[in-house]
Amino acid sequence: EDQVTQSPEALRLQEGESSSLNCSYTVSGLRGLFWYRQDPGKGPEFLFTLYSAGEEKEKERLKATLTKKESFLHITAPKPEDSATYLCAVQAGWDSGNTPLVFGKGTRLSVIA
Amino acid sequence: DAGVTQSPTHLIKTRGQQVTLRCSPKSGHDTVSWYQQALGQGPQFIFQYYEEEERQRGNFPDRFSGHQFPNYSSELNVNALLLGDSALYLCASSSDLNTEAFFGQGTRLTVV
Repeated sequence: EDQVTQSPEALRLQEGESSSLNCSYTVSGLRGLFWYRQDPGKGPEFLFTLYSAGEEKEKERLKATLTKKESFLHITAPKPEDSATYLCAVQAGWDSGNTPLVFGKGTRLSVIA
Repeated sequence: DAGVTQSPTHLIKTRGQQVTLRCSPKSGHDTVSWYQQALGQGPQFIFQYYEEEERQRGNFPDRFSGHQFPNYSSELNVNALLLGDSALYLCASSSDLNTEAFFGQGTRLTVV
């Protein structure tokens, strides 16, 4: 069974204090790994897709990396507006069409000014 | 581009009632997936629609049903509501040629 585990469950940072969020996964043939940001009561906002080990993508203060077993979301010099829950999801299999996303429980990030 | 839109945003229903949630996909997308997100949990896959047919289904009872229309919009129906059905219901749209899924704002369903 495909599984995604995110750690830590919650993270509290001072503004400017860089850190990383972890997403470990087991999947039968990774098609893609996705990072989303979710604000309270809202839908997930797409951040990145990673397809193969060694791939990296950046957006503003965020950088996502991928290995064969895990992905990291690095946050450099975070600001209070980066406070949100960050969700990791995997898409498995190579059937035609889009197979469903399997999500972790997320990491709740709080950035304190 | 309006992105993925869902309606209503909030809904309160009584146990045993039926509910219909609606979703309009992002322009250019033909695939709609529905997810249920309980408080403090990640979204759980309910089912996916493509070409007006249910293509895949997650581990949800058949009280959960859906439909996709020719314009790619979709409905999620839940019959005989239970207290445990209270959750944020998310619609995600994608193109069959592209794996990236974009989510709507969700419908918060409360069953009392």
